[in-house]
Amino acid sequence: DTGVSQNPRHKITKRGQNVTFRCDPISEHNRLYWYRQTLGQGPEFLTYFQNEAQLEKSRLLSDRFSAERPKGSFSTLEIQRTEQGDSAMYLCASSLVEGTQYFGPGTRLTVL
Amino acid sequence: KNEVEQSPQNLTAQEGEFITINCSYSVGISALHWLQQHPGGGIVSLFMLSSGKKKHGRLIATINIQEKHSSLHITASHPRDSAVYICAAQAGAAGNKLTFGGGTRVLVKP
Repeated sequence: DTGVSQNPRHKITKRGQNVTFRCDPISEHNRLYWYRQTLGQGPEFLTYFQNEAQLEKSRLLSDRFSAERPKGSFSTLEIQRTEQGDSAMYLCASSLVEGTQYFGPGTRLTVL
Repeated sequence: KNEVEQSPQNLTAQEGEFITINCSYSVGISALHWLQQHPGGGIVSLFMLSSGKKKHGRLIATINIQEKHSSLHITASHPRDSAVYICAAQAGAAGNKLTFGGGTRVLVKP
């Protein structure tokens, strides 16, 4: 257990539905990252926050994706109008500004 | 060409063998990470290094900044070392985001 938690661990949804995932980082970590990993591939960067500010978004993050970190603590990642191609493991990591990133267990999304 | 390339993609070893995984990167980095991922998804950070060599137990990581190359070695491999090993390049700017290699799936047979 790294101290980073993610919920839910698994989500199965039908195409077109909206889903929301939550990440609770290690409490003193001011940076929070979201990554996506498809089967057999390495993770890919989606977005990151420093405190409550979202400082960078990947081109992978289409306008159906939105992430928030309202109070600089937990973060949510919402996917609207899910597509089958969104099926993946969504990973969250947190760190201090210059420190090692600690990863959560991930949320596995399956879109039917 | 991916910015971070790992080899081999898959590796099978007998218990006790010495294992080497290689990682080459084409981007400028502030650090290089080695991560371990077990079935079920959880990722554990093994090493973060910006120069030289680090050792932890039976694991050794080295990096050659000039050649943009890193290696992860597992000495006296054990079946519990079976996992996917991923190298990731940390950008110096851009919030230290990680760019990952595709992973090396290691299977150690008893």
